[in-house]
Amino acid sequence: EAQVTQNPRYLITVTGKKLTVTCSQNMNHEYMSWYRQDPGLGLRQIYYSMNVEVTDKGDVPEGYKVSRKEKRNFPLILESPSPNQTSLYFCASSLKGQGVGYTFGSGTRLTVV
Amino acid sequence: AQKVTQAQTEISVVEKEDVTLDCVYETRDTTYYLFWYKQPPSGELVFLIRRNSFDEQNEISGRYSWNFQKSTSSFNFTITASQVVDSAVYFCALSEAGSNTGKLIFGQGTTLQVKP
Repeated sequence: EAQVTQNPRYLITVTGKKLTVTCSQNMNHEYMSWYRQDPGLGLRQIYYSMNVEVTDKGDVPEGYKVSRKEKRNFPLILESPSPNQTSLYFCASSLKGQGVGYTFGSGTRLTVV
Repeated sequence: AQKVTQAQTEISVVEKEDVTLDCVYETRDTTYYLFWYKQPPSGELVFLIRRNSFDEQNEISGRYSWNFQKSTSSFNFTITASQVVDSAVYFCALSEAGSNTGKLIFGQGTTLQVKP
């Protein structure tokens, strides 16, 4: 089944403790992206990747890192999480981006206390 | 600048009523794509529809219909004979073909509550 798999689904952590949210897709998509969803703001892009080893900042990249060492994986790294990073996170992939259909993961609900 | 506006924050209807969710967008691209997603209480994003800027035909899928009007930059979504299972947050989104970020630009979302 074609899908984007995010883990974990739920995570509660403490301020400053490094964490990684994994994202993997099995569709051989070149494009992958991370979004965060906050009430009243919709979803905003954090980082995106056009292909392996090609990543760039989205609209709200502060406090996040990503890597794209292989096509299928695009982990989101929070080196020192803070409470303002409490949010619902989504990973998405697309064949090439630019309007072609996007497939979203199931979301990761992160709480930083 | 690209922008998507969903002016209705929350809508509450009684089952079997029709309801229209509004979406207005801004873009300078001539080629773009518009999407609607549903987010049920479980939290995942469910894809509903994608339209490209060259196709202004209205679309109907069961109880769902979409009205795309380039003249008013709107892409409204109507649910006919609403049901309790339609209760969710609905997002309208825009993607520009000329974008070098592949970004989906989302509206703020409209929370629809359908009461029995």
